[in-house]
Amino acid sequence: DVVMTQSPLSLPVTLGQPASISCRSSQSLVESDGNTYLNWFQQRPGQSPRRLIYKVSNRDSGVPDRFSGSGSGTDFTLKISRVEAEDVGVYYCMQGTHWPWTFGQGTKVEIK
Amino acid sequence: EVQLVESGGGLDQPGGSLRLSCTASGFTFSRFWMSWVRQAPGKGLEWVAELSQDGSEKSYVDSVRGRFTISRDNAKNSLYLQMSSLRVEDTAVYYCQRGGGRPAEDHWGQGTLVTVSS
Repeated sequence: DVVMTQSPLSLPVTLGQPASISCRSSQSLVESDGNTYLNWFQQRPGQSPRRLIYKVSNRDSGVPDRFSGSGSGTDFTLKISRVEAEDVGVYYCMQGTHWPWTFGQGTKVEIK
Repeated sequence: EVQLVESGGGLDQPGGSLRLSCTASGFTFSRFWMSWVRQAPGKGLEWVAELSQDGSEKSYVDSVRGRFTISRDNAKNSLYLQMSSLRVEDTAVYYCQRGGGRPAEDHWGQGTLVTVSS
């Protein structure tokens, strides 16, 4: 199975400041169709996961533009340009290239 | 509005069986891959199983293969997960998800808790 490794696992941030989460995969996530199926999910406390970013850098509908994704191959990053209080929660990267689809361990974002 | 509502969770003993259901509304159910994803208490997410639109293609994570069966009834807009030979480590919130691993739009239910304990 593809292992997804996130860092850091805990991220205390100051409101209005940027935040960045790294995700590395144990294999390339480039599919034979040319797409890279790397997604980012947000899970707020007590809620179901919500996808923020799909195929590395595409924001889902309704996702604020302060969220952005980048990367290629095996190294990916989620950035929040200015953290807001509603961004508190756990963020997961997830690969949809190699079955079984797998998630990173999660990064807990909290306000300092 | 897309809605996915899971039911069927509860407490069962190791070795027991449970059947989870997910009732879909707000979209044409038969057009989408569907999945079950679980989350153990205080832990991360694990993709459990995935099923094609007509039910002909199924995939399972190794930890449940041979014990769990994913199925659907398109006439009833429903997805199921038959769970047998339950283990303590199957304890988790089970989420119904629309679209599988590569959906254009991603939707999740609110989850149903399965607890396996003696």
